[in-house]
Amino acid sequence: NAGVTQTPKFQVLKTGQSMTLQCAQDMNHNSMYWYRQDPGMGLRLIYYSASEGTTDKGEVPNGYNVSRLNKREFSLRLESAAPSQTSVYFCASMLATNTEAFFGQGTRLTVV
Amino acid sequence: ILNVEQSPQSLHVQEGDSTNFTCSFPSSNFYALHWYRWETAKSPEALFVMTLNGDEKKKGRISATLNTKEGYSYLYIKGSQPEDSATYLCAFPDGANNLFFGTGTRLTVIP
Repeated sequence: NAGVTQTPKFQVLKTGQSMTLQCAQDMNHNSMYWYRQDPGMGLRLIYYSASEGTTDKGEVPNGYNVSRLNKREFSLRLESAAPSQTSVYFCASMLATNTEAFFGQGTRLTVV
Repeated sequence: ILNVEQSPQSLHVQEGDSTNFTCSFPSSNFYALHWYRWETAKSPEALFVMTLNGDEKKKGRISATLNTKEGYSYLYIKGSQPEDSATYLCAFPDGANNLFFGTGTRLTVIP
């Protein structure tokens, strides 16, 4: 059982480049999330998707776009990377509010 | 965006000490309260999901209590061990399945 699979694990981008982080879950979860981890700030929500076909902004959506391609997959796109987007990104999924969330392995992104 | 606060921000304890941390959340429109354990260079893993006022959950030396009326939850660790060193996160879902995390309590257990 793979759980939540997130790719890539590491990425270095130059300022202005674009990239897409991929996330897939095989647990038939309804909700999927993208977070970024910054020192002293815990996990901050970038975007979330409560169900297939819907997406909503979280706390820090600027500079990002998302796609909920189907129930399994939720991708995060950086159209024009900036050094402020250097962070560790986590994808997560959850069936319902009264069940636990599961996390991907994280993507360490550096923008130079 | 819901305000979920955790205290203290960091904590150093000696091996064998017992300790506890606090998570504060909005007391209205309660759905659940989650606790996660997050080790360095790994992904967060769930400890407890609590849904009822007065809930008490236990897993080994770690336990948690919940007070939904006043909007707080406590996480307790009895007889801390070095392997308990981690960041402990609480998370609060809203009615739209959005999941908000606190900033965490970073625990260091000194051998």
